[in-house]
Amino acid sequence: GNSVTQMEGPVTLSEEAFLTINCTYTATGYPSLFWYVQYPGEGLQLLLKATKADDKGSNKGFEATYRKETTSFHLEKGSVQVSDSAVYFCALSDLGGGADGLTFGKGTHLIIQP
Amino acid sequence: SAVISQKPSRDICQRGTSLTIQCQVDSQVTMMFWYRQQPGQSLTLIATANQGSEATYESGFVIDKFPISRPNLTFSTLTVSNMSPEDSSIYLCSVEDDRKSYFGPGTRLTVT
Repeated sequence: GNSVTQMEGPVTLSEEAFLTINCTYTATGYPSLFWYVQYPGEGLQLLLKATKADDKGSNKGFEATYRKETTSFHLEKGSVQVSDSAVYFCALSDLGGGADGLTFGKGTHLIIQP
Repeated sequence: SAVISQKPSRDICQRGTSLTIQCQVDSQVTMMFWYRQQPGQSLTLIATANQGSEATYESGFVIDKFPISRPNLTFSTLTVSNMSPEDSSIYLCSVEDDRKSYFGPGTRLTVT
């Protein structure tokens, strides 16, 4: 079946630091890959996505590249802000008929200190 | 941690009918979310269902189409009413417990 592995954290950084949250996946097909962000008390929000190998998703200064050779989709941001404090979920979606349509990582709690 | 189960895991339904999806959690949780993911799209929040209050729906989703029940702290249902092929999606239940989120296995719905 499909699976997603990401660091759980918490990850604590100072403002303006460089961020990397690793995400690797296992999938039988050719999934789409997503990063979602969840702020306290709120539902998930899509941060970025990539639908095929070598695609780069980007949004709000965050980037992630779909690396099929390393089965990875690491999230990066060059300079984090306090407002980036949240939980980040890596996910894959195999809506092409696979048994595991949606698979999430366990989430990475990010804390940015001023 | 929280373990979530959903029923049914998948279903094929005819247009105009309704389907109720059940979400069962193995522990008591306050916050519960219902999402859907249409083919080729990202996850979209339908509503937030907290026990003891009416569900809060996101823009584009209404109670008549997606009625939700939350009778206790371990269970919720989402009904997809008067279905059309556009409702074909994966429907996902999620809970927040002790600042962590957990996801159900999803319900794959196909409307013909």
